[in-house]
Amino acid sequence: AQSVAQPEDQVNVAEGNPLTVKCTYSVSGNPYLFWYVQYPNRGLQFLLKYITGDNLVKGSYGFEAEFNKSQTSFHLKKPSALVSDSALYFCAVRDMGVTSGTYKYIFGTGTRLKVLA
Amino acid sequence: GEEVAQTPKHLVRGEGQKAKLYCAPIKGHSYVFWYQQVLKNEFKFLISFQNENVFDETGMPKERFSAKCLPNSPCSLEIQATKLEDSAVYFCASSPYPPRENTEAFFGQGTRLTVV
Repeated sequence: AQSVAQPEDQVNVAEGNPLTVKCTYSVSGNPYLFWYVQYPNRGLQFLLKYITGDNLVKGSYGFEAEFNKSQTSFHLKKPSALVSDSALYFCAVRDMGVTSGTYKYIFGTGTRLKVLA
Repeated sequence: GEEVAQTPKHLVRGEGQKAKLYCAPIKGHSYVFWYQQVLKNEFKFLISFQNENVFDETGMPKERFSAKCLPNSPCSLEIQATKLEDSAVYFCASSPYPPRENTEAFFGQGTRLTVV
């Protein structure tokens, strides 16, 4: 079965420092991986995705993620954190219908990022 | 439109009352998902549609939950006889179909249902 794990409930980082939000996955077949961000009282906003190609994926707002097949990880990164980056971040894998015939997203439990001024 | 529009934003129902939530997918997107976000941020998949056809309903509590996507109407999610445990934020998302490798889902802002 497809699954996603976000091992950290919360990550604190000082403004200007690099940030990493961790995600590991378990899939059968090729992984289709996504990062979404949720600001308070808002819906999920798409940040970036990995389908195929370069292992370093660049996305919105200066975020990037590194796909590591051997470690089955897809960590979200940003070189210099901003206070406005404080939000809830979700990693997701998309079931591409290989086994189930569905295309639903399977989300991790989220990591709250707090960037301290 | 260019956004997934969910209405209402907030809904309060007494236990046992009916709740109905609406979702207008992005124009041209024929694939719609419903998710329930509960405590501790867990996203639970409920149901998906391809146009007006149910695609996957494995997440639906069938005894009280139902959903429809009819032509030329917003999609709807209806909960009969709500329970306290139904209190959650319900998100709708849409995506083009057939799913292509460059396709991400676009989420609405959610409907917060509070059952009292």
